Amino acid sequence: AQSVAQPEDQVNVAEGNPLTVKCTYSVSGNPYLFWYVQYPNRGLQFLLKYITGDNLVKGSYGFEAEFNKSQTSFHLKKPSALVSDSALYFCAVRDMLGGNKLVFGAGTILRVKS
Amino acid sequence: DAGVIQSPRHEVTEMGQEVTLRCKPISGHNSLFWYRQTMMRGLELLIYFNNNVPIDDSGMPEDRFSAKMPNASFSTLKIQPSEPRDSAVYFCASSSGLPQETQYFGPGTRLLVL
Repeated sequence: AQSVAQPEDQVNVAEGNPLTVKCTYSVSGNPYLFWYVQYPNRGLQFLLKYITGDNLVKGSYGFEAEFNKSQTSFHLKKPSALVSDSALYFCAVRDMLGGNKLVFGAGTILRVKS
Repeated sequence: DAGVIQSPRHEVTEMGQEVTLRCKPISGHNSLFWYRQTMMRGLELLIYFNNNVPIDDSGMPEDRFSAKMPNASFSTLKIQPSEPRDSAVYFCASSSGLPQETQYFGPGTRLLVL
């Protein structure tokens, strides 16, 4: 069975500092991994995904994520946080053998303070 | 492309009434997903379709919920009769159908059942 864990309900960071939002996963096959962001009263917006190849994936708005197979992690990072990055972030995984179903983590609230 | 379109954006109804939520997927996408988001349960997959055929409805809460996809450009999620515990934000998402492809979300329908 597929599962995703986002161990932090909330992450607080000062503007200009680097940020990390953590995600670990469990799948029976090779994973496809995704990050989404949700701003208040909006739908989920796609940020980036890992399918295969380079372990470091670059996405929208300056975000990147590193796939680590040995640690089964896919942490989201940004070198310099902006106040406008404050939002709810979801990690999701799809098992290559599991069809089209995406399994989402519980979400992590990111608060960036000026 | 206009993205995934959902209507209505907001719905307030009384317990016992029928509610119908509508979704138009991105043109050319052949997979469609219905999700429900609540504070208590997070983001839950209710049902998904491939090529207009329901593939997995294991997330549908109970018989009061039903979903249809009569053609490639339209889907409905119906709740009859509605109950206060159905209050949530309901999202529709679509993708091209391949496991590595991204799901794109609509803006959601915020449902309040009084």
